[in-house]
Parts: sequence; C-alpha cells; structure tokens
Amino acid sequence: AQSVTQLDSHVSVSEGTPVLLRCNYSSSYSPSLFWYVQHPNKGLQLLLKYTSAATLVKGINGFEAEFKKSETSFHLTKPSAHMSDAAEYFCVVSDHPPSGTPLVFGKGTRLSVIA
Amino acid sequence: DGGITQSPKYLFRKEGQNVTLSCEQNLNHDAMYWYRQDPGQGLRLIYYSQIVNDFQKGDIAEGYSVSREKKESFPLTVTSAQKNPTAFYLCASSRSGQGFNYGYTFGSGTRLTVV
Repeated sequence: AQSVTQLDSHVSVSEGTPVLLRCNYSSSYSPSLFWYVQHPNKGLQLLLKYTSAATLVKGINGFEAEFKKSETSFHLTKPSAHMSDAAEYFCVVSDHPPSGTPLVFGKGTRLSVIA
Repeated sequence: DGGITQSPKYLFRKEGQNVTLSCEQNLNHDAMYWYRQDPGQGLRLIYYSQIVNDFQKGDIAEGYSVSREKKESFPLTVTSAQKNPTAFYLCASSRSGQGFNYGYTFGSGTRLTVV
C-alpha cells in the first residue's frame, strides 16, 4: 500500500531565504511522486512530478525536488522564497505499476513567508 | 482553453436539505474524482470514476452520492445523511484511470456551508 508523510505541518521562512518542505513516502512499487500548491480558497496546481526519469525534478516558480529511493524521500526546495510562495503544499504518491487506486495525498504543509 | 469547472463557488445549505455540486471538464479525461478538504486534514477522497457509468467509493463516501452519465460531468450530491457537510470540495480529473504519470487537474473548488 502507498502512503505519504509530510513531516512539517507549518514552515515559516524569511523572504529571500531557502525553502525546504519535507516528504517521505511508502510504496510497494516504483512510485510516481508529485508536489501540488494551493493558494487560499483555490484549487490545487501541479508544481512538479517525478515519474522514474531524472531524480532531480525542476518545476514551476523555481521549485525543485529530489527523489531519493534509499531515503524514501521527495523533499521540495527553492533557493530563495518570495512572498507569493506563501501557500499550502501537498506531496502526492502513486504506485507503479498501477494498482487501480487514486493518488494518495499528504496532509499538507503550510508555508509562511515573512517580509 | 481546456479545464475543469466547478460551480457554484459558494453554496449555503439548510440542515436536512440535499445539494448538488457541479463538476464539468473539457479535457477529454477518463477519470474524475471528488475530494473533501478540512483544515489540517489534507484531501480526503469521497468518490471516483474511471469510466462513464461506473464509480467507486472513496474513504469517506457516507452521506454522499455521485453519477457519471457523461464523460464530461461528475456531479456530487451531499445528502441530509452527511452529518458535517461544511467543507471545501474539490473536483479533479486525469488522463488515466488513476492519474499515474500524469497527475490530476483540479477545479477551483466549492465552499459549502450549512446554515
């Protein structure tokens, strides 16, 4: 069975400093992994995805994530936080080969950016 | 442009009433999903459909019903049996049966409040 754990419910950073949002996963097979972002009262937008190609994945808005199989992690990073990055971030896992079940979402990490 | 549309954006319901949330997509996606979002609990799966005229219960299906008569549409009815329906509801769709390798496209959500 697949599962995902976001290690921090809330992260606060100063504008211009690095961002690190942590995610560990559990999967029976080689997983696909995603990060989504949600701004208040909005739907979720795909930031980036890992699907067994390069282990370092670059996404939109300067975010990137590295797939580490040995650590079962898929942490999201950004070198320099911007005020507009303040939002909720979700780590998501899907088993491969497909098990017939929908994507599994983490509980989310709220990112605050301080001016 | 293709996308997924949820309506209405805000919905108020009196106790004891059924209400239906609309979700329409023009992405030609096979699969559609309904999630409920509550603060601090992430996204919880209500129902999903991988093909027209077929759907499966998710983790919290009690008090909800769905139909999938057309590929483009996946309405969700919140019945009076749902004890605590106040929440933010998100609809999503995907190219494959489970979003594997593709992720989901989300609508902008419907906020339901019981008054």
